[in-house]
This record gives sequence, structure tokens and C-alpha cells, in this order.
Amino acid sequence: TQLLEQSPQFLSIQEGENLTVYCNSSSVFSSLQWYRQEPGEGPVLLVTVVTGGEVKKLKRLTFQFGDARKDSSLHITAAQPGDTGLYLCAGGRYGTASKLTFGTGTRLQVTL
Amino acid sequence: SAVISQKPSRDICQRGTSLTIQCQVDSQVTMMFWYRQQPGQSLTLIATANQGSEATYESGFVIDKFPISRPNLTFSTLTVSNMSPEDSSIYLCSTKGQGNYEQYFGPGTRLTVT
Repeated sequence: TQLLEQSPQFLSIQEGENLTVYCNSSSVFSSLQWYRQEPGEGPVLLVTVVTGGEVKKLKRLTFQFGDARKDSSLHITAAQPGDTGLYLCAGGRYGTASKLTFGTGTRLQVTL
Repeated sequence: SAVISQKPSRDICQRGTSLTIQCQVDSQVTMMFWYRQQPGQSLTLIATANQGSEATYESGFVIDKFPISRPNLTFSTLTVSNMSPEDSSIYLCSTKGQGNYEQYFGPGTRLTVT
């Protein structure tokens, strides 16, 4: 069974602070995606990374896929209250790339 | 990206009964997925629903408990049968995007079994 462990599990920070969320596994994935989910809604895709070592930036968010394709990180610069939500990483399974294995989740709260 | 709606958005059901959740997509899609999510927790894939063939279930999930229909390329249903309080969860459907990897999700159905 492929598992994706996220850390930290919970994070409460003030507006303007920086943070990093980690997504780790002992398994290799064909791709790694990050989603954000708000209460009462489904997860919304933020980014997909597919190449080992790949770095993608989306405004204040920076995503990195590990060289060995087993881990990923999400870094948020100058967090804002609108960043509050549940962050989920998800790995594409080899052989059945359409199926995703979701990480354990990181709940982020950004306060004023 | 596809726009996905689910019905009902929430329901409270008695144990032993069954509930059918509908998922409607605004465009034709090949693959649809059903997930379960405990409140505040991560997502667990229940099954993959392909039009014209039987659904493929993940380990720990069986057709008798979670029968799925996929009558066309824009619609699917998931039934939660013979419910118990342990089935209380959020049920989400998703579709595969144009690319190889991304998925788009419906808003979910929050089920409470008493």
C-alpha cells in the first residue's frame, strides 16, 4: 500500500509568516499534485509536478517534487487568511496513473 | 475544467437504510471516481466508474455495500447500502481532467447515519 505522510498535521500562523508543508512516502509516484480544500467544498487542484526535482511557482506558493519522486513540499510566502484550508498532496500511481493516493492532509489556519 | 454537481448535498439517515448519491458532470468524461472522506481527514478512493463496464473497487470496498452505476458519460451514482454509523462521512465524486493526472471534484455529500 502506498502511503503519503504529510507534516505538520496542523499549522496555525499569523498573517505574513512563511510556512512549509511536507509530503513524504517510501513509494515512487509518477506525478505529485497539491490540492486545497475549504469546508463544504471538494478539493481544488493547485499544481501538478511530474519531473523529479521540478519546482513550480504559483504566486506566493512554491511547489517542489523530490529528485527521487518520493516526496514533495509546498512553501507559502507571506501567508494570508485566504490561504486557510486543508492542504492535500496526492500521488499518481504507476501503471494506473489516473488513480491518486492522497496524503494525510495538513490543516492550515492563518489569522490576522 | 469540468463542473461537477452532487445530490444531495447532505442527508441524515437511519441505520439499515440505503442512500443513493448522484454525480453530474457538465461535459462528457471517460473516468469518474468516488471517494470517502471523514470530516477533516484525507480522501480514500472507493472505486473507479467507467461507462460501459463494471466499476473497479479498491481494497476494502465491495460492490454489495457500494453499488455504482455509470449509465452515460456525464452521470454516475453511488449507493451506500445497509448503512451504519461508521458510514457517516463525506462522499465525493471526481473526474479525470484533460491531462494525464489532475482530477476535478464535486462539492461532496455529507452523510450522517444515526
